Order: sequence, then C-alpha cells, then structure tokens
Amino acid sequence: EDQVTQSPEALRLQEGESSSLNCSYTVSGLRGLFWYRQDPGKGPEFLFTLYSAGEEKEKERLKATLTKKESFLHITAPKPEDSATYLCAVRYGGATNKLIFGTGTLLAVQP
Amino acid sequence: SAVISQKPSRDICQRGTSLTIQCQVDSQVTMMFWYRQQPGQSLTLIATANQGSEATYESGFVIDKFPISRPNLTFSTLTVSNMSPEDSSIYLCSATPQETQYFGPGTRLLVL
Repeated sequence: EDQVTQSPEALRLQEGESSSLNCSYTVSGLRGLFWYRQDPGKGPEFLFTLYSAGEEKEKERLKATLTKKESFLHITAPKPEDSATYLCAVRYGGATNKLIFGTGTLLAVQP
Repeated sequence: SAVISQKPSRDICQRGTSLTIQCQVDSQVTMMFWYRQQPGQSLTLIATANQGSEATYESGFVIDKFPISRPNLTFSTLTVSNMSPEDSSIYLCSATPQETQYFGPGTRLLVL
C-alpha cells in the first residue's frame, strides 16, 4: 500500500537546538516529494520539492534531503517563528498531480 | 507560484443544510484540487477538478455529497451537501500552475 509516514509526531526544541524531521515513503514511481509548513488556521505553505535521491534544497534555516526511501527536513538553530506543523507529501505513479500527505510533525521552538 | 483565495473563511451551519465554498486562483491552471483536513489530522484528497470535464472523486467521496463546479481556468466551487456534524472540518483548495501544488487559506466549517 502506498504510504507516507512522518516522525516524530511532535517535537519540542529550545531556540538554537538543531534537529531533523523524518518522512518515509513506500510508493512506486516517485514523481516528487514535497515539504510544506502549516501554521494554525492557515493553508499549507510550500517549502521544497525534491525529485531524486541525493538531491538537497535549502532555505534559510531549513534543508531538505532525499534518499530512495525517506526524506529529512533539517532545522538548524531554530527560532520560535519556526514553530508550525511540517507536512511531507509524495506525488507518484501516473500523469495526475495527486499527492499523498503524511500526518505531519508539530514543531514547537521555545525561546 | 499561485495565490489562492477561498470564501468563506469560516462558517457555522445547521445540520441538513448545504454550504458552497469558492476558490479563486490568480492565474489560469488546468488542475484544481479539493482537500479535507479534520481536526488534528493531515490532508485527505476529496476530488480533482479539471476545467471542461467532470470532477474525479477519491474513494469514500461521492458527487451527491460533494458536488464540484469548474466553470473556468481560475475558479472552482465545492458544495458540502446535507451536512452533518461529521462534516465539520477544514476544506482546502489547491492548484498546480506547474509542478507544485499551492494551497488556499482554507474554509473552517462547523456543523451543529
């Protein structure tokens, strides 16, 4: 069964304490892995797209990496404003642009 | 990228009534999508709406309950029909101008 799993479900960090979020997937024919940030009461905000194993993308304190079975979102020296739910989604298979979403990681960064 | 707006942003409705949610994109797009996000959960795809064709529904979602219109390349509506408290959720519209899906701010629905 095609599946996307994120861990941990929740993560609490002190400001400046670096960590990583994990997204593992079991799909055939990966056509892109997406990371989104979602703040309470808002729609998901696009962060990164990764297409092939070994690819990396960076934006400010965030870096996303991809292997054949999983992706990591590394957060370096986080700030309280990085607190949000981080969602991973996978596009796979045929010609549609449908995504399968993971359940997300709720990140809280304390000052 | 794409800027997507939704109306209404939130509503409280009575059981048995229907609500139509509007989604507007700032550019022409072929594919638009409707998702549901129940409290504390991730996003579940309801249907894909392509302009000029009938919407394609995912397993567990039917047209009678969630009719969708797609009259042009920048606009779509989702109706939640004959609502029950189980329909209380956030409904999200998204669009794919190129390879990336961009999302609207969502419509928060509470059914009493």
